[in-house]
Amino acid sequence: EDKVVQSPLSLVVHEGDTVTLNCSYEVTNFRSLLWYKQEKKAPTFLFMLTSSGIEKKSGRLSSILDKKELSSILNITATQTGDSAIYLCAVEGAGQNFVFGPGTRLSVLP
Amino acid sequence: ETGVTQTPRHLVMGMTNKKSLKCEQHLGHNAMYWYKQSAKKPLELMFVYSLEERVENNSVPSRFSPECPNSSHLFLHLHTLQPEDSALYLCASRRDRPGNTEAFFGQGTRLTVV
Repeated sequence: EDKVVQSPLSLVVHEGDTVTLNCSYEVTNFRSLLWYKQEKKAPTFLFMLTSSGIEKKSGRLSSILDKKELSSILNITATQTGDSAIYLCAVEGAGQNFVFGPGTRLSVLP
Repeated sequence: ETGVTQTPRHLVMGMTNKKSLKCEQHLGHNAMYWYKQSAKKPLELMFVYSLEERVENNSVPSRFSPECPNSSHLFLHLHTLQPEDSALYLCASRRDRPGNTEAFFGQGTRLTVV
């Protein structure tokens, strides 16, 4: 059964800190790994990592895929209160569904 | 706005009611999904439709009945639900094509069963 694990499950930091969120997976026929940010309701897309694109960066956010270790990290530098959210990791394997991890709840204090 | 619209945003229904959730996208996507998000649980896949045909049904109780009349619309018909079905129901869509594409989510419907 496909499985996605995230750690930590919750994290509290202060503005300006750098955080690293972890995602590990077990999936049949890996196709891609995706990171989403969920603030209130709709998860919003951040990054997609595949075998041909294992590192992505956008502003203060960056992500790396380690296919050997079956894991990925999401880094956020110089955190802001607006970064407070649940960060979801999802993996697409065989079939057309995405398997989601439990999420990391990040709280950034002023 | 992601381009995926769900209605209603909030729904309270009794256990004997029948209601429907609606999802709509005009992004040209050809795969649509229903997910359930309960408190303190990961997003759970319920149904997947690709090219208007159901391709996945993750052992969802029959009191949930999906319908995909065309590639732009997806419904979730609800009948005789239980209080434990109270959750956030999220719809997503993507363009399923060679290569990899991300899924876009709607705002969700917060369902409360009383």
